[in-house]
Amino acid sequence: EDKVVQSPLSLVVHEGDTVTLNCSYEVTNFRSLLWYKQEKKAPTFLFMLTSSGIEKKSGRLSSILDKKELFSILNITATQTGDSAVYLCAVLSGNTPLVFGKGTRLSVIA
Amino acid sequence: GAVVSQHPSRVICKSGTSVKIECRSLDFQATTMFWYRQFPKQSLMLMATSNEGSKATYEQGVEKDKFLINHASLTLSTLTVTSAHPEDSSFYICSAISRQVNYEQYFGPGTRLTVT
Repeated sequence: EDKVVQSPLSLVVHEGDTVTLNCSYEVTNFRSLLWYKQEKKAPTFLFMLTSSGIEKKSGRLSSILDKKELFSILNITATQTGDSAVYLCAVLSGNTPLVFGKGTRLSVIA
Repeated sequence: GAVVSQHPSRVICKSGTSVKIECRSLDFQATTMFWYRQFPKQSLMLMATSNEGSKATYEQGVEKDKFLINHASLTLSTLTVTSAHPEDSSFYICSAISRQVNYEQYFGPGTRLTVT
């Protein structure tokens, strides 16, 4: 059975801190790993990772995939209160829909 | 980017009534749409996969007679919650896979259903 595990489940940091969110997976026929940010509505897309070792970057967010060790990390530098959200990791395998992890709830306090 | 809309965004209904939720891909054709359910502070749980012109595939534990899915066209899928009960209260989210770009799912904004 395909499985996606995120850690930590929740995290509280102060503004300006750097955080690293983890996602490990076990799936058959892996195609790509995706990160989403979810605030009050549906998740919004952050990154899609298909190849190992290639960092994707968008502003203060970056992510990298390790297909050998079957995990990905999402880094957020200089956190702001607006980064407070649930960050979801999901894996696409074959032609099946995304398998989601439980998410990491990030709270950034001023 | 591709846009998926859902209607309504929020609905309150009485126990025993049926509610229909629409999911539309606005600027692309979606060969496949997915319906997810999300309880408070939990991750998305896939309910069913909807392919245009064919019957939906339901995940284990999801009652197909209760959650009716119709994918009538390449841009519209509907989820009808029949004989709703308070335990059906949840956030329902659809997503769509573009026929042109089939590796990324585009999510609708979600529908919050409250059954009283």
